[in-house]
Amino acid sequence: EVQLVESGGGLLQPGGSLRLSCAASGLTFSNQWMHWVRQAPGKGLVWLARIHPDGTATSSADSVKGRLTISRDNARNTLYLQMNSLRVEDTAVYYCARGRELRFPMESWGQGTLVTVSS
Amino acid sequence: DIQMTQSPSTLSASVGDRVTITCRASQSVSTWLAWYQQKPGKAPKLLIYTASSLQSGVPSRFSGSGSGTEFTLTISSLQPDDFATYYCQQYNPYSPSSTFGQGTKVEIK
Repeated sequence: EVQLVESGGGLLQPGGSLRLSCAASGLTFSNQWMHWVRQAPGKGLVWLARIHPDGTATSSADSVKGRLTISRDNARNTLYLQMNSLRVEDTAVYYCARGRELRFPMESWGQGTLVTVSS
Repeated sequence: DIQMTQSPSTLSASVGDRVTITCRASQSVSTWLAWYQQKPGKAPKLLIYTASSLQSGVPSRFSGSGSGTEFTLTISSLQPDDFATYYCQQYNPYSPSSTFGQGTKVEIK
């Protein structure tokens, strides 16, 4: 069974940084495209970024470009998200998700981790 | 970026009703269109990919159609488990980004 487990959420200060992890099991992680998606409280889904299976190519949404870094460690079966210069509006549940290829959408999702940005 | 617009935002329906949700793209996404179902406090679940392909394990009462800029998700006979929020997503592999629609909440009438 495919499992994706996010961690690293919590209460953070405006202007600070976050680093989230997503531990994968039950699949060949190094073959998967991986994505980060977030959802602010009571709002819709927002795609943030994706990364190639070997980590050589990434892309991200214009709304977070320059503040967000997506990376992965295939030896540890783990996906990462780093975001800097946090704003109150970054408060959201952050999900990691996988797609078997770029031509396939997100077929497995983690349970999400809540990030709250507040002073 | 490609914008995705869903309608309606909220839909009230009864068990057994046929339900249709529309998703429009600001430019052609061919058939790179997926539909997800999300229940409160849960992660989204993939229902449909490439506009009309049913994901494994998803009941056949769900169907998708469309291409280019206009797409629909149809639930042929609404069941109690189907009351949820539905999102479309364009995942054009030739675009640098992916985009979700704003969601359609299906409520009990």
